[in-house]
Amino acid sequence: GDSVTQMEGPVTLSEEAFLTINCTYTATGYPSLFWYVQYPGEGLQLLLKATKADDKGSNKGFEATYRKETTSFHLEKGSVQVSDSAVYFCALRDDYKLSFGAGTTVTVRA
Amino acid sequence: SAVISQKPSRDICQRGTSLTIQCQVDSQVTMMFWYRQQPGQSLTLIATANQGSEATYESGFVIDKFPISRPNLTFSTLTVSNMSPEDSSIYLCSASTGGGIDTQYFGPGTRLTVL
Repeated sequence: GDSVTQMEGPVTLSEEAFLTINCTYTATGYPSLFWYVQYPGEGLQLLLKATKADDKGSNKGFEATYRKETTSFHLEKGSVQVSDSAVYFCALRDDYKLSFGAGTTVTVRA
Repeated sequence: SAVISQKPSRDICQRGTSLTIQCQVDSQVTMMFWYRQQPGQSLTLIATANQGSEATYESGFVIDKFPISRPNLTFSTLTVSNMSPEDSSIYLCSASTGGGIDTQYFGPGTRLTVL
């Protein structure tokens, strides 16, 4: 079945550092890909999405490109802030179901 | 987009009791979903709830334990029945307007602790 493998955390960074969270997927079809973020004490929020190969999703300085050849959707941000501290989930949607990765906890220190 | 609210936001319950979680969406949606997020883990889909039909449960989840209602296009409930400490989790409601490239939006979650 469909699955998402996400880089394990936790990840601790200093402010203004570069962040990459790796995500690869296995799917039989052509899924849409998502990054969701969960800030401390809050629910899941959609961060960005891409619906087909070579699409780039972006939001709040975060970017991820749908790479069909490597079945990847890595999340990147060039300069993180303390407010980016959260748990990040990679997910794929095939038909109507979402499959989530394990989540990566990111802590940004001032 | 869709704004989703859940009630209660948290609860502490005794084993053997049941809790019903309510999910309200600010617009009509075709599909609603219930997820469980156990402590420190990812989200697991419990079931899909469509208006006018029985909920569809994922492997490992059964209707007797997690009965779901979907009386209209903006509301759903999930009941956690005969609770045990293993049911302590965050339960999240999600909604989608359907379609091949649609996005699922999530509620804030209900944090359940079973003693």
